[in-house]
Amino acid sequence: KNEVEQSPQNLTAQEGEFITINCSYSVGISALHWLQQHPGGGIVSLFMLSSGKKKHGRLIATINIQEKHSSLHITASHPRDSAVYICAVRSLIIIQGAQKLVFGQGTRLTINP
Amino acid sequence: KAGVTQTPRYLIKTRGQQVTLSCSPISGHRSVSWYQQTPGQGLQFLFEYFSETQRNKGNFPGRFSGRQFSNSRSEMNVSTLELGDSALYLCASSSSSLRNEQFFGPGTRLTVL
Repeated sequence: KNEVEQSPQNLTAQEGEFITINCSYSVGISALHWLQQHPGGGIVSLFMLSSGKKKHGRLIATINIQEKHSSLHITASHPRDSAVYICAVRSLIIIQGAQKLVFGQGTRLTINP
Repeated sequence: KAGVTQTPRYLIKTRGQQVTLSCSPISGHRSVSWYQQTPGQGLQFLFEYFSETQRNKGNFPGRFSGRQFSNSRSEMNVSTLELGDSALYLCASSSSSLRNEQFFGPGTRLTVL
């Protein structure tokens, strides 16, 4: 079993729909990242959170440390939101003063006009 | 402020050869991390450098190595290339460590024939 599991793996929706992508992890973490990767490979860091909720524009990220679960929500989705969304956790196992990043497999989101 | 740059963007090599990839972090950033992305394995952490020292390493064979220079620029080297090394190699920089937000470069797409 992977340390970080995302669901769904693929998601297709119509423009305007409310989108939820889930991330569950099995290790102790110090923080969780949500990343966005567009076709062509460029990755953008959307959120870094260790508790509660963060909002940026139409994007909202929540995390429940006790349940080891995080969600990324997109309100009023738009075709330009089409991308792969990746959850990554910073493991609490500290090696040589740094912490290891472990990634989920990603969720491919397609928003149709 | 200029973003993270990686050179070259595309590279084709044959089995057995070696390759060196370069990453220039955002000015002022001292931490550089390297990641490998393949369709089968997704994103995997290779290593992190901070102030010219490798602080953390992922589960990759010794053929994968790196270094960081005094100006924080980093290089990654892969020796004795195998077909399975074909991947998108991404670097990311942050101000101090994996604890901080990571800014990703566009990646180098390596194809091994």
